[in-house]
Amino acid sequence: DVVLTQSPDSLAVSLGERATINCKSSQTVLSTSASKFYLAWYQQKPGQPPRLLIHWASTRESGVPDRFSGSGSGTDFTLTISSLQAEDVAVYYCQQYFSNPYTFGQGTKLEIK
Amino acid sequence: QVQLLQSGAEVRMPGASVKVSCKASGYSFSDYYVHWVRQAPGQGLEWLGRISPNGGGTNYAQKFQGRVTMTMDTSISTVYVELSRLTSDDTAVYYCTRDASNIYYYFDYWGQGSLVTVSS
Repeated sequence: DVVLTQSPDSLAVSLGERATINCKSSQTVLSTSASKFYLAWYQQKPGQPPRLLIHWASTRESGVPDRFSGSGSGTDFTLTISSLQAEDVAVYYCQQYFSNPYTFGQGTKLEIK
Repeated sequence: QVQLLQSGAEVRMPGASVKVSCKASGYSFSDYYVHWVRQAPGQGLEWLGRISPNGGGTNYAQKFQGRVTMTMDTSISTVYVELSRLTSDDTAVYYCTRDASNIYYYFDYWGQGSLVTVSS
């Protein structure tokens, strides 16, 4: 199974500051034929289901604010929130859809400092 | 708008089975796979498998093979997941979620979740 390890487990950032969440994959999730990383990011607020933010490691979903961005290289991926807003408090998960079983990271809890 | 409406909370004894439903609306039901993902209390997300509403084909995570069954009723745009031989480790919120592309398994719309509690 592909294991996704997120860091840190929790993060406190001041409003307006940058937040960076990392996700490291135990195996490649890169399709060389498609030249795409099979990696998505989700946001989950308390009592709610997850919300898809980014797929293909860096493609933002429609309606997602442009302060959210994703990047990746090799087996390392990053979700960046450029200027933290109060409504961004949530748990963030990465997910690989490269191979069955389709696994998630353990989550990173983002709070306001 | 796309909606996935799930059935309510369930309580089961260890060893029993549970069946959760998910009614889809706001899109063409047969055009998108539906997946099931669960989340134990205070824990992360775990993929159980998916069903294709176009034909009923399934693809399960190895961990749940033999214990999970996904079915559908196209006449009411509803999919079901049944999990048997329950243990306390199966206590979780079970989500149905729509596949965004039917080729690549990432998920764009989610149900509200159904809490399944396994307790004696």
